[in-house]
Amino acid sequence: NAGVTQTPKFQVLKTGQSMTLQCAQDMNHEYMSWYRQDPGMGLRLIHYSVGAGITDQGEVPNGYNVSRSTTEDFPLRLLSAAPSQTSVYFCASSYGRHYEQYFGPGTRLTVT
Amino acid sequence: TQLLEQSPQFLSIQEGENLTVYCNSSSVFSSLQWYRQEPGEGPVLLVTVVTGGEVKKLKRLTFQFGDARKDSSLHITAAQTGDTGLYLCAGRGGADGLTFGKGTHLIIQP
Repeated sequence: NAGVTQTPKFQVLKTGQSMTLQCAQDMNHEYMSWYRQDPGMGLRLIHYSVGAGITDQGEVPNGYNVSRSTTEDFPLRLLSAAPSQTSVYFCASSYGRHYEQYFGPGTRLTVT
Repeated sequence: TQLLEQSPQFLSIQEGENLTVYCNSSSVFSSLQWYRQEPGEGPVLLVTVVTGGEVKKLKRLTFQFGDARKDSSLHITAAQTGDTGLYLCAGRGGADGLTFGKGTHLIIQP
């Protein structure tokens, strides 16, 4: 049981490049979410999904896209990276939006 | 929008000392979760408190939920270097799911 896995662990992008952060969970959780964590800002919700085929925006969705084709996977796409997207990104899964969140190890992204 | 204020933002103490950190809001939460995050890792749930006035103990950690369910505290007795980390509280209340505080950075000096 691997829990929540994220790849890559570290990434450096140039402004304007695109990339996908991968997230997978093996706990059969319906709810998955993406957060970004910045110094002094805490954890902020980017997008979330309550099940395969259903996604919705969180607090800071601009510049990010998501899709949920399977229960297990919830990738986060940056279409045109900006320096403001430099952050640590966490994927989480749970039985529901109000329940214990199981977090992945994070992806540290730097946009230059 | 429901907000959770955590204090202090930073705390550095010597091993063996006691400490308390706080999580406060003007909003009522149906439950509150405490997480600990170690450097380079994701947050991990420590405890969930549900009932106003509830006290839960986890070895040297004591969690209390305020009677009005607007605040919570975490008390650590005889702190150890392994307690070092970022402590986050998260409230269950609105339709948006969990509301996270910004956390307390705790450093326990040997």
